[in-house]
Amino acid sequence: GAVVSQHPSWVICKSGTSVKIECRSLDFQATTMFWYRQFPKQSLMLMATSNEGSKATYEQGVEKDKFLINHASLTLSTLTVTSAHPEDSSFYICSAILGPVNSPLHFGNGTRLTVT
Amino acid sequence: GENVEQHPSTLSVQEGDSAVIKCTYSDSASNYFPWYKQELGKGPQLIIDIRSNVGEKKDQRIAVTLNKTAKHFSLHITETQPEDSAVYFCAAIITGGGNKLTFGTGTQLKVEL
Repeated sequence: GAVVSQHPSWVICKSGTSVKIECRSLDFQATTMFWYRQFPKQSLMLMATSNEGSKATYEQGVEKDKFLINHASLTLSTLTVTSAHPEDSSFYICSAILGPVNSPLHFGNGTRLTVT
Repeated sequence: GENVEQHPSTLSVQEGDSAVIKCTYSDSASNYFPWYKQELGKGPQLIIDIRSNVGEKKDQRIAVTLNKTAKHFSLHITETQPEDSAVYFCAAIITGGGNKLTFGTGTQLKVEL
């Protein structure tokens, strides 16, 4: 079964509003989670690394004030898209390391965000 | 940083035939190479992986080979079935170095009846 749960699976919002996406690790503790963004027919692009109890590390070109990441517990990381615009419409996917540092990465089922 | 190239971008095979997807990476420090299958509207699913101390790994109809010298690794699917149709991504990572995956550009595999 799924080891990483993501919610919601899809969301439609109006321009200017904020949307929160949750990523939960099931049956294990994840000190590190990753957030990816995927445009249609393209590969996954890493947005940020979410560290439990500390600030997220953002990749170059990703606005940290627009994509707020909170990793308040060992099983939950959240991504909030603030003041969403149509260009933020995308597929957002989280992942977590299952086990020790050399363990495989497992992905959630993604969230399809559409901003109208 | 790491750069992963993947070929082909699309691959169409007849049911029962084999499919091969190839990737190259640039950073010789990369030591872990997972392969993911992504179905439409879903997140990537890990299907097989290989570490740099191994040259080949097999799991039923799926196998992965690694050539560290040439910095190549490949996914082999034998006896393909329609349910194998999906997008496949290779990836490379330096474990312990932040565990940030670098993905290939993906291969759309279509298995035709």
